[in-house]
Amino acid sequence: EAQVTQNPRYLITVTGKKLTVTCSQNMNHEYMSWYRQDPGLGLRQIYYSMNVEVTDKGDVPEGYKVSRKEKRNFPLILESPSPNQTSLYFCASGLGRVFSGANVLTFGAGSRLTVL
Amino acid sequence: QQQVKQSPQSLIVQKGGISIINCAYENTAFDYFPWYQQFPGKGPALLIAIRPDVSEKKEGRFTISFNKSAKQFSLHIMDSQPGDSATYFCAASWLTGGGNKLTFGTGTQLKVEL
Repeated sequence: EAQVTQNPRYLITVTGKKLTVTCSQNMNHEYMSWYRQDPGLGLRQIYYSMNVEVTDKGDVPEGYKVSRKEKRNFPLILESPSPNQTSLYFCASGLGRVFSGANVLTFGAGSRLTVL
Repeated sequence: QQQVKQSPQSLIVQKGGISIINCAYENTAFDYFPWYQQFPGKGPALLIAIRPDVSEKKEGRFTISFNKSAKQFSLHIMDSQPGDSATYFCAASWLTGGGNKLTFGTGTQLKVEL
């Protein structure tokens, strides 16, 4: 089954404790992206990657890091989490020119992160 | 700063009625306008999308109306059903030197009542 898998789905952590949210896709997609969803703010892009070793900042990159060493994986790293990073996070993937024609951006099921 | 403004924030419609969600934008570089549907506990899923050279696109009960001169587009759900109850996001994308970028509206929570 074609899917985007995120782990963990739920995490409660404390301020300053480094954490990584993993994202893996099995569709051989070139494009991968991370979003955070907050009430009243919709989905905001954190980082995206057009291919292996190619990443770029989205709208809200502060406090986050990413890496794209393999095509299928795109982990999101919070080096020193703070309470304002409490949010619902989504990973997504798509084909190279993902936003045209029938190409579809496929989202994972989400990771709910709470930073105390 | 929200690049795509979406309204209303929430909407209650009776079964069989028409649900209408509106979005407005300013950036004329946007070249693709998708709508996503999100059910509780799930990630957003593409519902329907339109390019700016088309004024209307219909897929089943879902229709996008696009007004390029007004920089507005809307989603119409005809014969709304309780199963349509979800959060809907409009979005807009454009191609930059670094690749595709996609920006979302703030979302509309739709509830369809029996």
